[in-house]
Amino acid sequence: DTHMTQSPSSLSASVGDRVTITCRASQTITSSLNWYQQRPGRAPRLLIYGASTLQSGVPSRFSGSGSGTDFTLTITSLQPEDSATYYCQHRGTFGQGTDLEI
Amino acid sequence: EVQLVESGGGLVQPGGSLRLSCAASGFAFSDNWMSWVRQAPGKGLEWVGQIKHDGSEKYYVDSVKGRFSISRDNANNSLYLQMNSLRAEDTAVYYCAREASGTTFVYWGQGALVTVSS
Repeated sequence: DTHMTQSPSSLSASVGDRVTITCRASQTITSSLNWYQQRPGRAPRLLIYGASTLQSGVPSRFSGSGSGTDFTLTITSLQPEDSATYYCQHRGTFGQGTDLEI
Repeated sequence: EVQLVESGGGLVQPGGSLRLSCAASGFAFSDNWMSWVRQAPGKGLEWVGQIKHDGSEKYYVDSVKGRFSISRDNANNSLYLQMNSLRAEDTAVYYCAREASGTTFVYWGQGALVTVSS
């Protein structure tokens, strides 16, 4: 099974900042990588699929990149509502999550 | 509008059984793979298992194999998770999710809390 490792585990940023979250796969997974946002007390929400394709309705300040084993989720112009936990996922495996505090 | 509504959660003793249901609407349920994903209190997401659109294939995470079973009723747009021999470590919020290609969880329900405790 492929193991997914996210970094950092948590980070703090300010409104208007740009942040990057990374996800590393234990083996090559081509572009089969998704990103989710989970706000406190809510169900997860799909942000990015196929490593870089923005899900319908997701603000364009979210973007994803990478292939092979290394992937990134970038959020520009941070907003207060971006405070959440972010997860990467490949097939049946999720990363451990990154807590973002605004 | 796509809707997934879980029900059937609650408190159960260790060794007991529980059946979760997920009522789907707003999309062609019988055309989609479906999954269950769980989240223990204060922890991350864990995929539990999935079922093919026609029910002919099912896959599970190792920790629930032989204890949990996923089924579906396409005539009634419903997904089920039968959980037997429950353990304290199965305590979690259980989400049903509609899949897209590549095991992408496109839509999620609101979750059902299962607590395993004596």
